[in-house]
Amino acid sequence: GAVVSQHPSWVICKSGTSVKIECRSLDFQATTMFWYRQFPKQSLMLMATSNEGSKATYEQGVEKDKFLINHASLTLSTLTVTSAHPEDSSFYICSAAISPGTGELFFGSGTQLSVL
Amino acid sequence: AQSVSQHNHHVILSEAASLELGCNYSYGGTVNLFWYVQYPGQHLQLLLKYFSGDPLVKGIKGFEAEFIKSKFSFNLRKPSVQWSDTAEYFCAVNRFTSGTYKYIFGTGTRLKVLA
Repeated sequence: GAVVSQHPSWVICKSGTSVKIECRSLDFQATTMFWYRQFPKQSLMLMATSNEGSKATYEQGVEKDKFLINHASLTLSTLTVTSAHPEDSSFYICSAAISPGTGELFFGSGTQLSVL
Repeated sequence: AQSVSQHNHHVILSEAASLELGCNYSYGGTVNLFWYVQYPGQHLQLLLKYFSGDPLVKGIKGFEAEFIKSKFSFNLRKPSVQWSDTAEYFCAVNRFTSGTYKYIFGTGTRLKVLA
């Protein structure tokens, strides 16, 4: 099946620094990627939908200036957590679909972010 | 608020018992419906999906789900569970809104099957 690679798997950073998370579709082109945040023992919360070559669509309550999403190519989307704070500590998961309307999502392995 | 609801957060069954996990959504219009499963230590993977046609869809590993439009439901079923079905199950809705597709997940149901 299709593979989505997400890096890094975990990152620890100091408060105030920025962290970039990469999401790559390895064997298919993904015009649309989805970024989720998952709190312990809770579901995946959609943060934003990332479309190649255009601005991301953010969900209500998600700060676009804090969570910068760039989908520069058909195989790469990045999420940058700017000026991270302890409350940003969470598990971030990216996913991609070959056909965003009807196709299944393929998930990255997730990134555990811990902000000290 | 519009959402995807899964009624059972934790389910414990013995092997060979029947399973039904509830899923309701509150979006109007056209939606595509999915069930995903996450086995311990693994990525989420697709169990089955519904777009149109026969409202009873069959997925992998003996799972099936029925779309009931009037009830906004898409319940997951399996006649006889196995120990290997122990996992977390997520219902998801995909819809086109505000110029883009959105995949919204339910809260998940943790299933434990006792051998």
